[in-house]
Formats: sequence, structure tokens, C-alpha cells
Amino acid sequence: RKEVEQDPGPFNVPEGATVAFNCTYSNSASQSFFWYRQDCRKEPKLLMSVYSSGNEDGRFTAQLNRASQYISLLIRDSKLSDSATYLCVVDTGRRALTFGSGTRLQVQP
Amino acid sequence: ETGVTQSPTHLIKTRGQQVTLRCSSQSGHNTVSWYQQALGQGPQFIFQYYREEENGRGNFPPRFSGLQFPNYSSELNVNALELDDSALYLCASSLDPSGGTNEKLFFGSGTQLSVL
Repeated sequence: RKEVEQDPGPFNVPEGATVAFNCTYSNSASQSFFWYRQDCRKEPKLLMSVYSSGNEDGRFTAQLNRASQYISLLIRDSKLSDSATYLCVVDTGRRALTFGSGTRLQVQP
Repeated sequence: ETGVTQSPTHLIKTRGQQVTLRCSSQSGHNTVSWYQQALGQGPQFIFQYYREEENGRGNFPPRFSGLQFPNYSSELNVNALELDDSALYLCASSLDPSGGTNEKLFFGSGTQLSVL
């Protein structure tokens, strides 16, 4: 079983739609959680950290459920520029980030 | 721009050859991590260097080795290349190796290695 699992998608949504991604992790000792965004074959870029209390950054909302060991990302009012791969990332405190395989989002006009 | 630069951007090698990839960290960062990203997968941790010493290693064989220099630039060396080594190799620098600051990773744009 992978340490971090994501639905690979693709999620094809129209502009203006709301879309949600989930991610599960297996290591209950995981300490920190993040969503990264990656455009085609470019470097991953930090989108937002994920806190137990949930956090919001504009159209993006991230939630963490430690009891069920899953993380979610909600994108409201999708833009064409949101098309990318979204990587769920977990820090287990072993000096390395563990990345999921990513969920691909395609926003269509 | 993250201030982390990698070279070369693309590289083609044949099976059995050796390759060296280079990374220049963001100014002031003393920690560098290397990741391998195969097509359709997330980045996989190879190893981390902190102040010129290996500080952690993922599940990669010994033919993957590295160096960090006094100016904190870094190299990834791969010997006896295999077809499965074809991937995007990402370097990331940070100010501190502790887990709590992992969110402050700054990635370079990567080296795309193709092994034929």
C-alpha cells in the first residue's frame, strides 16, 4: 500500500465549477500536510499547508481529518489557469516529504 | 523564481553510462534534497545533504550518490544507468533539515533524464 494515495483523475470540470480532491495517508505519525501544484513536467510549487483546523486561501480550502487519515482540497469557481496536477504531500518527520502520485485537473471553457 | 537552478535541463544517456546532475541552492540555504519523479508519479525522495554530509536517504540503491560542496551547491551522480532511471530529477533547497521546515522547500525546475 502506498503511503499517500490519490485518485489520479483526470477531473474534467467546466469553468466556474467547484471541485474537490481527497487524499489518504497511511502513517499515523505524520506531522505536517501540504498541497502542491505541478504544471506539466515543471517543478512542484507549494499551494498551501493543511491544518487540523482547516485553512482557506481565496478560492482554495484545505481540510485535515487525522482520525480518518485523509486530507482534502476544495477549489471553488474554477479557472482555466487551475488546470494542473495537485500533489498531496505528507511530512512524516523523516527529513523527506512523501508525495502522492497526484490528481490531474482539467478546467474546460 | 525560487533561486534554485539545475543543470542540464535535459540529458540523454544510454544504459550502463554514468551521469552527474548539478544543483545550485538558494542563497543562504544549507540543506539540499534530491527527488526522482517518474512519468505519472509523484516525486520520490532520493537523499538529503546538510552541511556537506548525507543526512537521510530514501529507498534508492548505492549507485545513486551525491555530494554537497562548501558553497552548498550539490551533485547527484548515478552509475550504471538503467532504463527505469529515466525521470525528472528535482533538487530542493531549504534552510534547515528538520521536518518542521520541510514546507519551506524551494524546488529547481529539474533535469529531465532519458536513458535509452
